[in-house]
Amino acid sequence: AQKITQTQPGMFVQEKEAVTLDCTYDTSDPSYGLFWYKQPSSGEMIFLIYQGSYDQQNATEGRYSLNFQKARKSANLVISASQLGDSAMYFCAMREGRSFGNEKLTFGTGTRLTIIP
Amino acid sequence: DSGVTQTPKHLITATGQRVTLRCSPRSGDLSVYWYQQSLDQGLQFLIHYYNGEERAKGNILERFSAQQFPDLHSELNLSSLELGDSALYFCASSPTILIDRGEKLFFGSGTQLSVL
Repeated sequence: AQKITQTQPGMFVQEKEAVTLDCTYDTSDPSYGLFWYKQPSSGEMIFLIYQGSYDQQNATEGRYSLNFQKARKSANLVISASQLGDSAMYFCAMREGRSFGNEKLTFGTGTRLTIIP
Repeated sequence: DSGVTQTPKHLITATGQRVTLRCSPRSGDLSVYWYQQSLDQGLQFLIHYYNGEERAKGNILERFSAQQFPDLHSELNLSSLELGDSALYFCASSPTILIDRGEKLFFGSGTQLSVL
């Protein structure tokens, strides 16, 4: 079973609008971390935001916020006031638990976001 | 700039050959991770080293091997290369083993491998 599911292969959004990128995850571990990374066309992977499973509040980092719904096992990324430079591939990732061998990130298939001027 | 250095940036080789990809982690980071990114498989975890020792293996083929040296740099060796090995290979580093809250992976810019 997929541990991280991103159901939107691609999205087109008008500049300055807000955009939500979906991510659902699957784990039975009570302790986990959720991450979002951005991959522009140049190829590098850029960390955006982190949410821990025990965090009471949704994470925010500038224009990025994470809509964390634990019961639904979803961790959607919200980008406010989108900009042309936001056009990129976005990956959701999870780190499960603290057991030996789980010290890695598992990535979803990504969503390609295109901002339209 | 993430501080993680990967060389070479591009590598073109032929089937059956062997190549070595090199990674220098961020200063002070003890963990090195290798990922393979291809169009059909997405981002796949290959292997993780912590302070010189192997911690976890993912979907790494037997033709592939890796090691982390005492100075903490790492090498990924790919042998008997096949067309399907063409991919972007990322190295990432973290201070420890992603155990601390919010500890994250810092990625290098990747090595684009083309097997012809």
